[in-house]
Amino acid sequence: QTVVTQEPSLTVSPGGTVTLTCASSSGAVTSGNWFQQKPGQAPRALIYSSTNKHSWTPARFSGSLLGGKPALTLSGAEPEDEAEYYCLLYYNDELRVFGGGTNLTVL
Amino acid sequence: QVQLQQWGAGLLKPSETLSLTCDVYGGSFSGYYWTWIRKPPGKGLEWIGEITYTGSTKYNPSLKSRVTISADTSKKQFSLRLTSVTAADTAVYYCARDLSYWGQGTLVTVSS
Repeated sequence: QTVVTQEPSLTVSPGGTVTLTCASSSGAVTSGNWFQQKPGQAPRALIYSSTNKHSWTPARFSGSLLGGKPALTLSGAEPEDEAEYYCLLYYNDELRVFGGGTNLTVL
Repeated sequence: QVQLQQWGAGLLKPSETLSLTCDVYGGSFSGYYWTWIRKPPGKGLEWIGEITYTGSTKYNPSLKSRVTISADTSKKQFSLRLTSVTAADTAVYYCARDLSYWGQGTLVTVSS
C-alpha cells in the first residue's frame, strides 16, 4: 500500500517562511498537487502539477520539487494561512494518494 | 464561474448503499475529469476515484470493489455509488472538477 507522508505539524511566525514536504513510500510519482483546508470548509486547490499556481493562489505560496519530493513553500506567512495542508501525489496516471496533512500554525 | 452542487442522503444504515450526485454549473462538462474525495472525522482526505468526460474511470484500490462513479453529460452531473457501507464510511464527501473546483461537501453518517 502506498503511503504519502507529510510533516504532522509546523509552526511559522507571521511574515516568516516555511516549507512543507510530501514523501512517497514508493516510486513512480508523476506529479503532485497541494490543497489548503480550514475547519468547516471544503479544500481549496493551491498548486497543481507540482509547480503551477491557480489564478486564485496567493503569490506567497509556491510549489517546487526538493530532491524529487513535491514541496510547498509559504513566504511571508499571514494569520489567515493557519490551516491544514494536504498534498496529493499521482502514480502512473492510475492512482492518486493524499498525504496525511500538515497542521500549520501561524504564531 | 464554475460551481459544483452536491446532494444525496446523509444518514445510512450499515449494509446500505451510499448515493451522491454532483451538479455542475458554469463551464463545460467535456474536457475535464470529475472526482470524489472524502474526509472521515478526525482523519485526512481520501481519494475515492474519478471519471473523465469520455467515461473512463479510476478508483482507489481499497474501495474499488464497492465503488461506482458514473456521469450524465446531458445533465452535467456525475454520481458516486458506494455499496455495503459501514461506520468506517462515515465522512464528509466532496465532488470536484480537476481537483480545482470543489463542491460544498456532504456529511454522510452510517449508523444503526
